[in-house]
Amino acid sequence: AQTVTQSQPEMSVQEAETVTLSCTYDTSENNYYLFWYKQPPSRQMILVIRQEAYKQQNATENRFSVNFQKAAKSFSLKISDSQLGDTAMYFCAFIDYGQNFVFGPGTRLSVLP
Amino acid sequence: DGGITQSPKYLFRKEGQNVTLSCEQNLNHDAMYWYRQDPGQGLRLIYYSQIVNDFQKGDIAEGYSVSREKKESFPLTVTSAQKNPTAFYLCASSVPSGGGTDTQYFGPGTRLTVL
Repeated sequence: AQTVTQSQPEMSVQEAETVTLSCTYDTSENNYYLFWYKQPPSRQMILVIRQEAYKQQNATENRFSVNFQKAAKSFSLKISDSQLGDTAMYFCAFIDYGQNFVFGPGTRLSVLP
Repeated sequence: DGGITQSPKYLFRKEGQNVTLSCEQNLNHDAMYWYRQDPGQGLRLIYYSQIVNDFQKGDIAEGYSVSREKKESFPLTVTSAQKNPTAFYLCASSVPSGGGTDTQYFGPGTRLTVL
């Protein structure tokens, strides 16, 4: 069965600094998608960034970028120039072509002023 | 505005009662999903539907039922058979692409409390 692990239950970072959130996953599939979602206190799930497994190039979205290491099954999220509004739960998620949907347990990120 | 709506935002139920959570989307997405989120935990898939009049069980379908009579709507019924229904419920939709599914977009959620 596919699993997603986020080994950091909580993290904190000073405003304007950079932080990296870890995610590892386990699958025997070759084709799949990986996502990072953000859930602020409002509890609305917001897509942060998306990566197709067949693409070697790491995805970037403004201050957010990923380090996708397919062989190592690692998918970390880097947030640059952290802002107070980045405070939220961050979930790593995996979806494969076999319709297997798995979310990690989440990392609670606090951005400190 | 295009989006996904869930109602109500808060719902209270007495033990032994069935209750239905609403999920509507006007994004013209084919696929819709229901997740359950417990405090401090990630999301667990309850049911999903790729097309109208068809749906599949997720990891924790016991005690829940769904219907998909219209593309825009995917209501979830929490039955009295669900032993621990108090949780936050999230609905999502997506446009299936290629051989699988693509990005899921979420509604604002419904908080269900059993009294």
